[in-house]
Amino acid sequence: QKEVEQNSGPLSVPEGAIASLNCTYSDRGSQSFFWYRQYSGKSPELIMSIYSNGDKEDGRFTAQLNKASQYVSLLIRDSQPSDSATYLCAVKGGGSNYKLTFGKGTLLTVNP
Amino acid sequence: DGGITQSPKYLFRKEGQNVTLSCEQNLNHDAMYWYRQDPGQGLRLIYYSQIVNDFQKGDIAEGYSVSREKKESFPLTVTSAQKNPTAFYLCASINGPNMYGANVLTFGAGSRLTVL
Repeated sequence: QKEVEQNSGPLSVPEGAIASLNCTYSDRGSQSFFWYRQYSGKSPELIMSIYSNGDKEDGRFTAQLNKASQYVSLLIRDSQPSDSATYLCAVKGGGSNYKLTFGKGTLLTVNP
Repeated sequence: DGGITQSPKYLFRKEGQNVTLSCEQNLNHDAMYWYRQDPGQGLRLIYYSQIVNDFQKGDIAEGYSVSREKKESFPLTVTSAQKNPTAFYLCASINGPNMYGANVLTFGAGSRLTVL
């Protein structure tokens, strides 16, 4: 069973701080990695995708991937109360397999 | 507007009844998925389909059935054999044969099923 593990929450940070979310995965052949944000009662929405080792920045969000360590993270700079949500890490295995495996998510609360 | 439409948004069912959740997409996507989400949990894959008239079991297919007669439609039936059906059900789709690159998994708004 391929697994995706996320750091247990909830995570609480003050407004303006950096929020750090972590994810590890078991399938060493995984190719694609995604971070989804899910507000309570809503469906997930993609906020970042990353495919190569290193950092990928998009506005206040930075995704970091280390395939050797089987580790992917998401940093949210200048956290805002509107960032309060559950963040889901998703991993796609190698090959033409269409399946995404999701972690259980980390609940982030940004306090004003 | 292109997107994925799930219906109904809320559904109540008595124990022992089958119920079918609708999922329609007008994105011309090849692959479609059904996920289940329980409170405080991530998404678990029920079934997925890469092409019309073909589908594969996911990690928790027992008690569920699907069909893919049209590219646009991928309905999910929750049967009476599913022991704990109360959950949030999410349909998703993705274009192309390979997710590497710009392909994105897009979700519908979800259907919340409650068994009374």
